[in-house]
Amino acid sequence: GQNIDQPTEMTATEGAIVQINCTYQTSGFNGLFWYQQHAGEAPTFLSYNVLDGLEEKGRFSSFLSRSKGYSYLLLKELQMKDSASYLCAAMDSNYQLIWGAGTKLIIKP
Amino acid sequence: GAVVSQHPSRVICKSGTSVKIECRSLDFQATTMFWYRQFPKQSLMLMATSNEGSKATYEQGVEKDKFLINHASLTLSTLTVTSAHPEDSSFYICSARTGDAEAFFGQGTRLTVV
Repeated sequence: GQNIDQPTEMTATEGAIVQINCTYQTSGFNGLFWYQQHAGEAPTFLSYNVLDGLEEKGRFSSFLSRSKGYSYLLLKELQMKDSASYLCAAMDSNYQLIWGAGTKLIIKP
Repeated sequence: GAVVSQHPSRVICKSGTSVKIECRSLDFQATTMFWYRQFPKQSLMLMATSNEGSKATYEQGVEKDKFLINHASLTLSTLTVTSAHPEDSSFYICSARTGDAEAFFGQGTRLTVV
């Protein structure tokens, strides 16, 4: 079956660094997405990885290891506004997105 | 990035009535649109996939006669919740994609059935 696992909730301190992990099992693989979702709002796109390695985009970076079925989202210099849910989604061979349940990130001052 | 506009953002309707939600891609042609439902503190649940000019493909357990999806053009898809009941109250989100991998989301619609 197809499955995405990510932690339910994480807490971090303003200004610090946090890493949100995601493991996936899909029928075929066409990339791994990370989305940010604030409460009551639709998800917004953060990153897309299809090749192994680290993609850096400002304070956010995303890593993929296809052989391990593993990805992480790294958030640096945390700000209060980063408090949100972070959704991991893997695209299968039919180009369908398989969604994780999301990680609620709580930032404390 | 591309813009997907979803309307209305909030709607309250009486039980037994129907509600239509629109999803428009404003600056690109969306060959495929997706409709999701999200319950509080849960992830997105794919309801159906629609391709322009053809019938929508519904996920298992989603009633196609209750959730009518129309994708009449490359820039517009609609979801109609027919004979709505309180258990249909949820957050409905559309997303649109061209041939590229990235999907763009609408703002979401908070439906409350009273």
